[in-house]
Amino acid sequence: DTEVTQTPKHLVMGMTNKKSLKCEQHMGHRAMYWYKQKAKKPPELMFVYSYEKLSINESVPSRFSPECPNSSLLNLHLHALQPEDSALYLCASSQDAGDRYEQYFGPGTRLTVT
Amino acid sequence: GDSVTQMEGPVTLSEEAFLTINCTYTATGYPSLFWYVQYPGEGLQLLLKATKADDKGSNKGFEATYRKETTSFHLEKGSVQVSDSAVYFCALSWGGGNKLTFGTGTQLKVEL
Repeated sequence: DTEVTQTPKHLVMGMTNKKSLKCEQHMGHRAMYWYKQKAKKPPELMFVYSYEKLSINESVPSRFSPECPNSSLLNLHLHALQPEDSALYLCASSQDAGDRYEQYFGPGTRLTVT
Repeated sequence: GDSVTQMEGPVTLSEEAFLTINCTYTATGYPSLFWYVQYPGEGLQLLLKATKADDKGSNKGFEATYRKETTSFHLEKGSVQVSDSAVYFCALSWGGGNKLTFGTGTQLKVEL
């Protein structure tokens, strides 16, 4: 099973709302990732967790707050977002954070900020 | 820094035609190379990978060979189907942290 699940599938939120995106994998992977993808563009890395610890933050604004409660779960907490944050948010996981490990992506959450 | 260059799309082919999508890379070391496919409204799916020079990745009729001498990882398929219509991303990983560097993506449209 190479499945990464994400909820919700779609999310519409106002600029003053607080919401969370959830990601789950049961492949025993020890690295998990958040990406942001704008239309007709490749994904952009936001955060990397390795063994439940944040290892990479690609200078993401603090209105995005990641959390890794355990090795299977990854959350992205959203607060005071801007309309330009509207995008497809993808979660991925890999066996480890080494370069040779392929990443498996979830279906994404399509976020619209109004 | 590291980078990936893909051919511009969209690429439009008739069903059963031969497909080539060019991908070249620039990296300071010896990266791992990947092809991902994204169908409309979905996330990315790993199509194939290669981790060292001369490796050939293959899956679902798609193939790509890691060519160190030309720094290339071109995607090929002998006979495309309408169901292959999607966006294809070439990517590399190098330098720790498993940070993927993606190309801009190539949209493929296959017509009957």
